[in-house]
Amino acid sequence: GAGVSQSPSNKVTEKGKDVELRCDPISGHTALYWYRQSLGQGLEFLIYFQGNSAPDKSGLPSDRFSAERTGGSVSTLTIQRTQQEDSAVYLCASSLGGQYNEQFFGPGTRLTVL
Amino acid sequence: SQQGEEDPQALSIQEGENATMNCSYKTSINNLQWYRQNSGRGLVHLILIRSNEREKHSGRLRVTLDTSKKSSSLLITASRAADTASYFCATDWPSNTGKLIFGQGTTLQVKP
Repeated sequence: GAGVSQSPSNKVTEKGKDVELRCDPISGHTALYWYRQSLGQGLEFLIYFQGNSAPDKSGLPSDRFSAERTGGSVSTLTIQRTQQEDSAVYLCASSLGGQYNEQFFGPGTRLTVL
Repeated sequence: SQQGEEDPQALSIQEGENATMNCSYKTSINNLQWYRQNSGRGLVHLILIRSNEREKHSGRLRVTLDTSKKSSSLLITASRAADTASYFCATDWPSNTGKLIFGQGTTLQVKP
């Protein structure tokens, strides 16, 4: 079946612009996660959704970052007034939820802020 | 704060040799997982080991977990050029959300 998809695959934007990154999880997966990976680094947790609610937003680096999930499916990560330090690969993952289920990752969106 | 740290940061071996990567973590966990990443993009889940398990096998992969030392190792036997990738360990944050905290990764190069 279809895996996790993300769009766009690449995004180049100018400093100060807003960007929206989209994630389509695997159908039926109730849990959805956003991570960020800077060049040569490990993954940094951003936010977790269970259904449409986000019980854990602890990883969002600033109030310029927000995310929503609708219909228990698609999620959008929005970065307002982008800064150069926001440049990274943004990865989305989904799972059946809980701590014993593997997470399935999308291919990521590479964001470059000029 | 960083939860998992991998060692070594980079490893280069010949095809057919075994590769061992280590991971250390700081807090109590429910499980530890290993992922592979090719070309800096999507991650592929390799294996999950629960905190009450000590060893797990999957094909050419063997994972061990020592909760007393807060460490895990991933062994890839009879390596192939296709195993060239970055390998990450990830631990679940003790909140039962499934949220994962990743290490910095080990870059493995297998030379043909």
